[in-house]
Amino acid sequence: GAGVSQSPSNKVTEKGKDVELRCDPISGHTALYWYRQSLGQGLEFLIYFQGNSAPDKSGLPSDRFSAERTGGSVSTLTIQRTQQEDSAVYLCASSVWGTSYEQYFGPGTRLTVT
Amino acid sequence: DQQVKQNSPSLSVQEGRISILNCDYTNSMFDYFLWYKKYPAEGPTFLISISSIKDKNEDGRFTVFLNKSAKHLSLHIVPSQPGDSAVYFCAASAFGNEKLTFGTGTRLTIIP
Repeated sequence: GAGVSQSPSNKVTEKGKDVELRCDPISGHTALYWYRQSLGQGLEFLIYFQGNSAPDKSGLPSDRFSAERTGGSVSTLTIQRTQQEDSAVYLCASSVWGTSYEQYFGPGTRLTVT
Repeated sequence: DQQVKQNSPSLSVQEGRISILNCDYTNSMFDYFLWYKKYPAEGPTFLISISSIKDKNEDGRFTVFLNKSAKHLSLHIVPSQPGDSAVYFCAASAFGNEKLTFGTGTRLTIIP
C-alpha cells in the first residue's frame, strides 16, 4: 500500500520568504508527526497531531513555525520568514493509534535557505 | 541536552561478522526504545523495539539488548550483510508521551 508521502522533495528558498511543506500520511493512521534533521544532527521532534486532540507543539523552535492538519489527514508545515538555520530535512511520520511508537516515515523534504 | 546518545558516528564491519551498535540515554523516564534504519534520500524505517520490562528482543538477524541500570542499549546484527549498510538511529519514548527522542545516528558500512 501507499506509504507516507511528502512534497516537495526539495525546496530552495531565499531568506525571509515563507515556505509550506506537505505531508500525506498513510490512510487510516490517526497520529502524525513532524521532525527535522539538520546536518550532523539526529531527528528533532517538532509537532505531533493525534485525532481531534490539541496538537503537541512543544518542539517547534520558534513562532515562525506552525502546522495544520486538515480533516485528520493531510498536514502542512509552514515556516515564515525563513532563516538559514532552518535549512534541514523535514520528515513527516504517521502511526496507528495505540502503536504510536512505531512510526512510518516519509522520504522528507530537503529545505535549503539561501 | 542530548538525552539519547550514539557516540560512534560510524562503524565498519566485514560481511558475515557481527555488527554491534550502541546507544546511551540519560532520561530515566524512557521506557520504550526503538531502532530505525535509514538509507540515503529515504525516511527512516522501523527495525526493532524493546520495552523496559524486557532485556532482550530478537527478530531474525537483529537483536536489541537493554541494560536499564546502565541506561544502555545495543543492536546486534548477525550475520551482517551488504544491504545492512545504512545509518541507524536509536530512539526512546516515555510512557504516555508519543514523541520520540532520537540519537544522532551511526553510519554502518558492511565491507564485502
